[in-house]
Amino acid sequence: DQQVKQNSPSLSVQEGRISILNCDYTNSMFDYFLWYKKYPAEGPTFLISISSIKDKNEDGRFTVFLNKSAKHLSLHIVPSQPGDSAVYFCAASPRGSQGNLIFGKGTKLSVKP
Amino acid sequence: EAGVAQSPRYKIIEKRQSVAFWCNPISGHATLYWYQQILGQGPKLLIQFQNNGVVDDSQLPKDRFSAERLKGVDSTLKIQPAKLEDSAVYLCASRLTAVGGEQYFGPGTRLTVT
Repeated sequence: DQQVKQNSPSLSVQEGRISILNCDYTNSMFDYFLWYKKYPAEGPTFLISISSIKDKNEDGRFTVFLNKSAKHLSLHIVPSQPGDSAVYFCAASPRGSQGNLIFGKGTKLSVKP
Repeated sequence: EAGVAQSPRYKIIEKRQSVAFWCNPISGHATLYWYQQILGQGPKLLIQFQNNGVVDDSQLPKDRFSAERLKGVDSTLKIQPAKLEDSAVYLCASRLTAVGGEQYFGPGTRLTVT
């Protein structure tokens, strides 16, 4: 049973446009959410996070939105750049888990010049 | 600051053989994690160490997998004997403390079991 779901395996956008990656979760005990980016043959790299007490967190071109009632979060990249092409993983940490992460399956983003 | 180091990067073995992976976390990071990432899936936690003690190994298949972090720094993950379904990338990650802050991942070891 997948607790963190990324229903879009892939996404293609044009350079300069907005990329929106979506993530749904089922466990109401999750209180911390993260996005990781992964290039081929490399380990995942932390991108941005959000606590369940917030509904938005912004870092440069990256913004994460959290809708607790819908158990949904999204990552917005504006403007998208070719270097953003990678697999993006949504991850969640249950309250009291000492930081253990449960990952989604990932969404492969392709940004075309 | 040096990142998380893992070796080997690639390993091919036959089923029923044994294999070991090594991880050196970022200096000073007390918490260390091993993940298994099967192709097309997200990483799945196998075991978490806090210094040299095990915090969570609930998802580690203990009949064939073992891990240790004897001096609270380096860690090894062993599979004995390997099965075809163990083919995956094994990722090591570390974090400064048990709570708060992000996990930093190594490049992973890609294991192929034939």
